[in-house]
Amino acid sequence: GAVVSQHPSWVICKSGTSVKIECRSLDFQATTMFWYRQFPKQSLMLMATSNEGSKATYEQGVEKDKFLINHASLTLSTLTVTSAHPEDSSFYICSARGRLAGDTQYFGPGTRLTVL
Amino acid sequence: GIQVEQSPPDLILQEGANSTLRCNFSDSVNNLQWFHQNPWGQLINLFYIPSGTKQNGRLSATTVATERYSLLYISSSQTTDSGVYFCAVEQNQGAQKLVFGQGTRLTINP
Repeated sequence: GAVVSQHPSWVICKSGTSVKIECRSLDFQATTMFWYRQFPKQSLMLMATSNEGSKATYEQGVEKDKFLINHASLTLSTLTVTSAHPEDSSFYICSARGRLAGDTQYFGPGTRLTVL
Repeated sequence: GIQVEQSPPDLILQEGANSTLRCNFSDSVNNLQWFHQNPWGQLINLFYIPSGTKQNGRLSATTVATERYSLLYISSSQTTDSGVYFCAVEQNQGAQKLVFGQGTRLTINP
C-alpha cells in the first residue's frame, strides 16, 4: 500500500516553455503533498507544501509564480514549471501523506526535467 | 531551522561487510525516516522511527530521541544495497515537513 506515482518520469523541453508534472496517491487519500527538487549529487530540498483545497505554502527562495502548485483533489497534485530555463533542469520529486498513511511520507519515483 | 547531519558522507565496503550509518539532528523531532535512493532516483522507505529500534531483514535502525541521533545498520551487505541513504526528520511543532540530511553514499563492491 501507500503508492505514489508521478508523470512524466522524464521530460525535455525548450527554454521558455511550461511543463506540468502530476503526482498521484494511488491507494490512499493525500491530505498533504510535498514537492522537492534534487540537483545532481545533492540532497532533497523542499520547495512547497500543499494541502487539498488550499493554496500551497512555498519555502523561502522558491518563486511561487514560477512553480505553480495545485492540489485539487485528495489524490492529485500538480507542479507547473512556467517559462522554464536551463537552470530549472533538475529532478523533481513529490511525496504524500494522508489519513491512512499515518505520519509517514511516501515518495513518488521522480521526474527528471531537462530544459534546453 | 533544524539541522540534520549524516556521517560518513561516503562509505565503500566489500560484499558481506556490515555498516553503520549515523544521523544527528539538532532539535526534538516527532518523525524520523530513513530512505534508500536507488540509482534511478526512487526513494524507498526503509524505516519510520522517531524513537526506539526496528528491524527489517538485514536492516535495522535505532533512534535515541533524547540524545538526538539515529543509526541505520546494514548487515551482510550486498551489491544491491549500493546507493544513497538519507535520514529525514520532522521537527516537533513544525509544519509537517521533512528536512533531509546530505546523505551517505554507500558503495558495495563484489
